[in-house]
Amino acid sequence: DGGITQSPKYLFRKEGQNVTLSCEQNLNHDAMYWYRQDPGQGLRLIYYSQIVNDFQKGDIAEGYSVSREKKESFPLTVTSAQKNPTAFYLCASSIERGGNQPQHFGDGTRLSIL
Amino acid sequence: AQKVTQAQTEISVVEKEDVTLDCVYETRDTTYYLFWYKQPPSGELVFLIRRNSFDEQNEISGRYSWNFQKSTSSFNFTITASQVVDSAVYFCALSEAPQGAQKLVFGQGTRLTINP
Repeated sequence: DGGITQSPKYLFRKEGQNVTLSCEQNLNHDAMYWYRQDPGQGLRLIYYSQIVNDFQKGDIAEGYSVSREKKESFPLTVTSAQKNPTAFYLCASSIERGGNQPQHFGDGTRLSIL
Repeated sequence: AQKVTQAQTEISVVEKEDVTLDCVYETRDTTYYLFWYKQPPSGELVFLIRRNSFDEQNEISGRYSWNFQKSTSSFNFTITASQVVDSAVYFCALSEAPQGAQKLVFGQGTRLTINP
């Protein structure tokens, strides 16, 4: 079945540690996105990528990094510079770079601090 | 700047009641897109509807209906004869003109609980 796969479902980070969240899609979508969701709040855009080997900062990119080496993959690294990383992270993709097609979401990764 | 406001943080109703979720948006663009997503307890966001700024027709899909009014910058969502399976967090979102990436701005979400 086509869709977006995020792994792991739960992740724990120690102080000073970088961790990487995986996002893979087999929908052949050009654009991919990473969002952060805090309790009781909406989603906020961290990074997005419109095409392979290109990505742009979203509204809250500080302390995060991404890469887009393959069309189907868009991993997110939460670096030690992100002082409050505990949140629910959602990856999404859309068929085109424009504003009118809906984004499809993965099941999310819940990141906590040990 | 774009902004989406969902003033209702939580709503709780008894099954079979009708319920309306409010969404008010702000944008300077004349071309924009509005979305509703459902987030069940499992966590993923499920797309419900997309509406562009030039189409003010209301839409009905089964028990779901949407009322888009540009005059009040609102895009409200009504569930008729609610069911327990409708329990979820619902998000309204806005995307401006389709030049470049689709950057969605989300409201804070409304947690809807349908009690049996």
